[in-house]
Amino acid sequence: QVQLVQSGSEVKKPGASVKVSCKATGYNSSDYYMHWVRQVPGQGLEWIAIINPRGDRTEYVQKLQGRVTMTRDTSTSTVFVDLRSLTFEDTAVYYCVRGGPSPYGDYSQFDLWGQGTLVTVSS
Amino acid sequence: VLTQSPGTLSLSPGDRATLSCRASQIVSAAYLAWYQQRPGQAPRLLIYATSTRAAGVPDRFSGSGSGTDFTLAISRLEPEDFAVYYCQQYGRSPRYTFGQGTRLEIK
Repeated sequence: QVQLVQSGSEVKKPGASVKVSCKATGYNSSDYYMHWVRQVPGQGLEWIAIINPRGDRTEYVQKLQGRVTMTRDTSTSTVFVDLRSLTFEDTAVYYCVRGGPSPYGDYSQFDLWGQGTLVTVSS
Repeated sequence: VLTQSPGTLSLSPGDRATLSCRASQIVSAAYLAWYQQRPGQAPRLLIYATSTRAAGVPDRFSGSGSGTDFTLAISRLEPEDFAVYYCQQYGRSPRYTFGQGTRLEIK
């Protein structure tokens, strides 16, 4: 079955770090760009990161530059997002999302979404 | 910036819905998508490249537009269509921006 399965909910204190994982199954994930999108409860969608199929090129939303890192392990078809120096404003559901296939997959719609991972930042 | 209107749309099953997405700069029609998000669920791709339905999307959903004005139409609302809808552009910088969403609610 073609799907993205994310790791479970996390509760972190301000200043801590969190790493969320997302495993792709049912398709050749090494051909596709991948993204992370987050959604503060009750609010809209915010794109935060993209990684290319080989995992050697990333791009991030400007507001998170320096605090976020996206990586991928092609051997396990898993992508990760690592967010550091957490603040209350980082409380959100984080979605991993499939982009398009190489070579122009970074100019592609988001056609497959994970189930979401709630990250709660609380003191 | 993508601005969606109205913020909330109240209609009845069987009605036709028209949702608007206006861009602050010209957006290539090749890079405009619409997503549906039901309560408690992840978003789902409905339309891409302005007017192409994603796999499995019923033909009562249609997309149109060009330049800075884009529209999602739902011809005959079914109970499962009441949800939040987002437009997105994935072409020019800053890429991957979403509108703020339109909530379609049962009247």
